[in-house]
Amino acid sequence: AQSVTQLGSHVSVSEGALVLLRCNYSSSVPPYLFWYVQYPNQGLQLLLKYTSAATLVKGINGFEAEFKKSETSFHLTKPSAHMSDAAEYFCAVYTSGTYKYIFGTGTRLKVLA
Amino acid sequence: SAVISQKPSRDICQRGTSLTIQCQVDSQVTMMFWYRQQPGQSLTLIATANQGSEATYESGFVIDKFPISRPNLTFSTLTVSNMSPEDSSIYLCSVLGQGNTGELFFGEGSRLTVL
Repeated sequence: AQSVTQLGSHVSVSEGALVLLRCNYSSSVPPYLFWYVQYPNQGLQLLLKYTSAATLVKGINGFEAEFKKSETSFHLTKPSAHMSDAAEYFCAVYTSGTYKYIFGTGTRLKVLA
Repeated sequence: SAVISQKPSRDICQRGTSLTIQCQVDSQVTMMFWYRQQPGQSLTLIATANQGSEATYESGFVIDKFPISRPNLTFSTLTVSNMSPEDSSIYLCSVLGQGNTGELFFGEGSRLTVL
């Protein structure tokens, strides 16, 4: 069975500081991993995805994530936080052919001026 | 990519009433998904809607409570029936991107408050 764990339901960083949002997964088959962002009063938008190509994945808005199989992790990072990054971030795992997504519980990022 | 429009974007409903949410996609898609996002929680899949067949419901969701229509390849509706305050949620329509890499595209959601 697949699962996703996001550590920290709320994360606060200062503007300009490093953003690190943690995601660990469990999957019996090679996973497809995703990070989605949800801005207030909006649906979810894809930030980036890992589909077994390069382990370091770059996404939109300066975000990137590294797939580490040995640690079963797919943490999201951004070198310098911007006020506009304040949102909720969801990690998700998908098994090809099953059309099933498992979403993490989300991490709300707050950026302090 | 796919552009998904949902209506209504938000509504306040009375207990015991029903509300139908519409989802329109700008391209033809085989599978459409309906998710529920309860306050402060993650997304839970309600059902998968395939054109030309009955929707497939996930555990804990039943057709009598959440009837779904899928009349064509670009449109679907989800009805929340006999609503109670526990149904207050965001309801999201989504579709898979082309290829099999699993990218989901979402509508902006329908925020329902049941009094």
